[in-house]
Amino acid sequence: DGGITQSPKYLFRKEGQNVTLSCEQNLNHDAMYWYRQDPGQGLRLIYYSQIVNDFQKGDIAEGYSVSREKKESFPLTVTSAQKNPTAFYLCASSAPGYSNQPQHFGDGTRLSIL
Amino acid sequence: AQTVTQSQPEMSVQEAETVTLSCTYDTSESDYYLFWYKQPPSRQMILVIRQEAYKQQNATENRFSVNFQKAAKSFSLKISDSQLGDAAMYFCAYRSVTKNYGGSQGNLIFGKGTKLSVKP
Repeated sequence: DGGITQSPKYLFRKEGQNVTLSCEQNLNHDAMYWYRQDPGQGLRLIYYSQIVNDFQKGDIAEGYSVSREKKESFPLTVTSAQKNPTAFYLCASSAPGYSNQPQHFGDGTRLSIL
Repeated sequence: AQTVTQSQPEMSVQEAETVTLSCTYDTSESDYYLFWYKQPPSRQMILVIRQEAYKQQNATENRFSVNFQKAAKSFSLKISDSQLGDAAMYFCAYRSVTKNYGGSQGNLIFGKGTKLSVKP
């Protein structure tokens, strides 16, 4: 079955540590996205990529980095510069941006500070 | 820039009754897509229904339907015959249609959500 796999489901970060959240999709989608969800805030866009080897900053990119070396993979690194990383992180993918196809979401990763 | 507003942080409905969740948006574009997503306690985001702005007919999916008022920039979700499994956060989202590959088209702009409770 096609879908999006996020791992790990739970992640803990120590002070000064970088951590990487994995996102893999087998839907053959060109576009991939990372969102952060905080209580009462809805989803906010961190980074997005419309094509391999290209990505753009979203609304809250500071303290985060991404790569898009393969179509299937879009890992997100939460760096030590992100001072408040505790949140729920959702990865999504979709067909090319101009289509009416919706974004499909993974099950998310909950990141907490130790 | 486009914005999406959900004015009801929380709503409650009796099982088997009907409830309507509100969503308004602001845009200068004439063509776009609108979506309602459901997020149950498991936190998975599930597409409920979608609407293309160029279509006048309101979208329906089983017990879920929308009231799309383009001039008023309103996109409400009606849930009929509410079930306990409908209890979740509901997010309204806007998506631009601009065919500018490599830009920000395709990005969803979300409202802050409405928490729906269903009473047995």
